[in-house]
Amino acid sequence: DAGVIQSPRHEVTEMGQEVTLRCKPISGHDYLFWYRQTMMRGLELLIYFNNNVPIDDSGMPEDRFSAKMPNASFSTLKIQPSEPRDSAVYFCASSFSQTPTYGYTFGSGTRLTVV
Amino acid sequence: SQQGEEDPQALSIQEGENATMNCSYKTSINNLQWYRQNSGRGLVHLILIRSNEREKHSGRLRVTLDTSKKSSSLLITASRAADTASYFCATEDNYGQNFVFGPGTRLSVLP
Repeated sequence: DAGVIQSPRHEVTEMGQEVTLRCKPISGHDYLFWYRQTMMRGLELLIYFNNNVPIDDSGMPEDRFSAKMPNASFSTLKIQPSEPRDSAVYFCASSFSQTPTYGYTFGSGTRLTVV
Repeated sequence: SQQGEEDPQALSIQEGENATMNCSYKTSINNLQWYRQNSGRGLVHLILIRSNEREKHSGRLRVTLDTSKKSSSLLITASRAADTASYFCATEDNYGQNFVFGPGTRLSVLP
């Protein structure tokens, strides 16, 4: 398996534009997590899915953020409209269980810059 | 939500020396994990230690857990320049559900 695959690796967009981040989890992993990492706030859990169903989205900062998982092999995180304060690295991670022995497998992240 | 706090925030050592990082947390846990993050990359799981374990080893890594003090330490022996990275501890949140990550320790190993 190629691991968790995120795209794009880098995204630069103008304020007000819509941004869509993509994630392909490891096949067979039932849990998918979206994290945001900034210098100020560290690594924050935004939302997680179990068997494609959103379980907890309490970390989503506001209504401008939305996430979907239409099937077991694909998830998106959308920001609309984007703002400069959304600039961060967004990570997707997947795992067999919620608190797995072998930890979460993270993708390489998408570095988002909103200007 | 519960969060581990790593200490120190940054650590700089010479190649060959040992590096020790600490993690303190607030409430009881079942598991604690350590991750490494190289610059510009995602986090990589290093090791998990359960609440009924006191010490675990993996290669040059040694993790200890003291549940009475609510703390864990990660020791990297005979450090190498390639160990330069940020190290995070992750503890379960208050509901025992997801893992919550601390702010990390930035380790620099100088050649």
